[in-house]
Formats: sequence, C-alpha cells, structure tokens
Amino acid sequence: GESVGLHLPTLSVQEGDNSIINCAYSNSASDYFIWYKQESGKGPQFIIDIRSNMDKRQGQRVTVLLNKTVKHLSLQIAATQPGDSAVYFCAEIVKDFGNEKLTFGTGTRLTIIP
Amino acid sequence: SAVISQKPSRDICQRGTSLTIQCQVDSQVTMMFWYRQQPGQSLTLIATANQGSEATYESGFVIDKFPISRPNLTFSTLTVSNMSPEDSSIYLCTVGSKETQYFGPGTRLLVL
Repeated sequence: GESVGLHLPTLSVQEGDNSIINCAYSNSASDYFIWYKQESGKGPQFIIDIRSNMDKRQGQRVTVLLNKTVKHLSLQIAATQPGDSAVYFCAEIVKDFGNEKLTFGTGTRLTIIP
Repeated sequence: SAVISQKPSRDICQRGTSLTIQCQVDSQVTMMFWYRQQPGQSLTLIATANQGSEATYESGFVIDKFPISRPNLTFSTLTVSNMSPEDSSIYLCTVGSKETQYFGPGTRLLVL
C-alpha cells in the first residue's frame, strides 16, 4: 500500500541553528499534509499544515515546504531551542476506498545540542 | 482546541487479561479516534468511535480484540482484550475532524 515515510530517523542540531526535517510520501492523491511534534511522555501536538495547492506555508519559526513533483515534504525550524527537542511526524490525509484517514510517517527524533 | 484526558495514564498488565481505557473530552465532539503507537514507532489508527453506532475499524484491527464504546459525545472507551506482550503500546484518543485532530496524553500499556 501507499505510505508516508521519512528519510532520517534522527537529527542533531546545535542550539540556535536551523533544522530541516524531511518526509517522502507516495500517495499522489493526498491533498493535505500536517506536521506533528511529540515530546517525551505526551501525545502529538499539531504544528503546521499545508494543502496541496500550496508549496510553502510559514508559522512562528516553522516553515513547511511541499514539492508535489517529487512528493516531498519538509519542516524547517528556525533558530532552534532546547524545547524543540522531540519526535516530529509528518502525516497526510489518505483516501482509502472512499474513506479519508490521517496516516502518519515513521517520525524523526530531533535533538537540540546546547 | 479540546482538552482530552485518559485513564489510566499507564498500566502494567498480565497476559491474557483485558484493560479498558477511558477517554473524556471537555466539550461535545462529533469524531473521536483511537490510535496505537508501538514502542519507537509511529501512530496507527485503530478505529473511529461513532456515537450511537458501532465503531469503524481499520484493516488489521477487529472488534473482538479492541471493543470500543461511545455512549455520548464526550466519552469513549477502548478495551484491549486478551492481552499479549505485543499489545504493549501507547494508546491515544484523538478528537476533531479527519484533518485536524487533537491528541490526548495517551495510555502507556506494558503487558508482561
């Protein structure tokens, strides 16, 4: 079946630097993508989303880029802080036999080095 | 966003037993979902909890193993039946639309 996946399982970044987390997806029909952040011992928290009719969306210190040509999604975090250390998941809305469901990628663990 | 609480927050259970996890939301919501997150893994949707009707299960999950109740618009339960060590996971309740889901803190289950 089609799935969402990530290039790297772990990423370490010096505090204050920018980080980029990548995600590849294979369902060309997906039209909505979300990034979640999961801190240790907590449930995932919504960060930012993007629809397929956009290629970039910015939030506070975060930017999501969507490249539909190569089915690639990325999350950029600017000026990283220790509180950014977490596991980041990309997710997409997958249409499955007429049903829509949120499908998660495998996750990337981001560690901010003080 | 809705505030979601789950009980228990964690438990250690013996194989062959069953555990019922409760999910309470502070407001009425139409859609509630149950996910499983196995150790070091991503989240997998178990089922959609429908108010007033049977839950809708995803491929690989069956009602006999994961019975779900949804008696009203603020509450749902998930039971993990006849547990085995492979059921050791975090079980998460979420609410919202299919696109925008808010997650509870999860229930951490360890089966010995």
